[in-house]
Amino acid sequence: DAGITQSPRHKVTETGTPVTLRCHQTENHRYMYWYRQDPGHGLRLIHYSYGVKDTDKGEVSDGYSVSRSKTEDFLLTLESATSSQTSVYFCAIIAGTGGVYEQYFGPGTRLTVT
Amino acid sequence: GQQVMQIPQYQHVQEGEDFTTYCNSSTTLSNIQWYKQRPGGHPVFLIQLVKSGEVKKQKRLTFQFGEAKKNSSLHITATQTTDVGTYFCAGPQGGNQFYFGTGTSLTVIP
Repeated sequence: DAGITQSPRHKVTETGTPVTLRCHQTENHRYMYWYRQDPGHGLRLIHYSYGVKDTDKGEVSDGYSVSRSKTEDFLLTLESATSSQTSVYFCAIIAGTGGVYEQYFGPGTRLTVT
Repeated sequence: GQQVMQIPQYQHVQEGEDFTTYCNSSTTLSNIQWYKQRPGGHPVFLIQLVKSGEVKKQKRLTFQFGEAKKNSSLHITATQTTDVGTYFCAGPQGGNQFYFGTGTSLTVIP
């Protein structure tokens, strides 16, 4: 699983509170991604990083910010959580050889905003 | 922007029946990938197709990439209960981003 861990694995929080999710990888991969997964929508990209302090927005970035101060950690922050951000959040890295680049996903974080 | 649609959204089959999911892109893709997600799990890479008209097989799974490189399919022959899960296609979008389809959830009835 490319040494990807996510924390916390489950979180319940109240509307308006800040929340930070952490993705940690141990294999020095350059690219890291945050997705959210909701029924009927598949996986949607929130933000991604292509190096330390290098990040860019994805399809559904509103309400989210990210930071990557070191290669192994990619943080996703909800500045003021809303009920619409209740979702399962997956972190991923990309790795491969010979023109085939696979995404490896972490175990996910289930976030409930009440 | 690029859109990747998958049909059907859900499929229930009797064990032993075949299953097919279809993926359609609004734009031409340089390649397409397929992932499987077991219930409660995370997506796992299955395969990547690159060439126009390419067909690849993995045991009972057959993957096809359309001639125009805008559509793809995954066919499972004689489904088993271990095939249960959601199957996603994903197409690249510039800058090492991937755009995932909405997924097809497969239920296999023993």
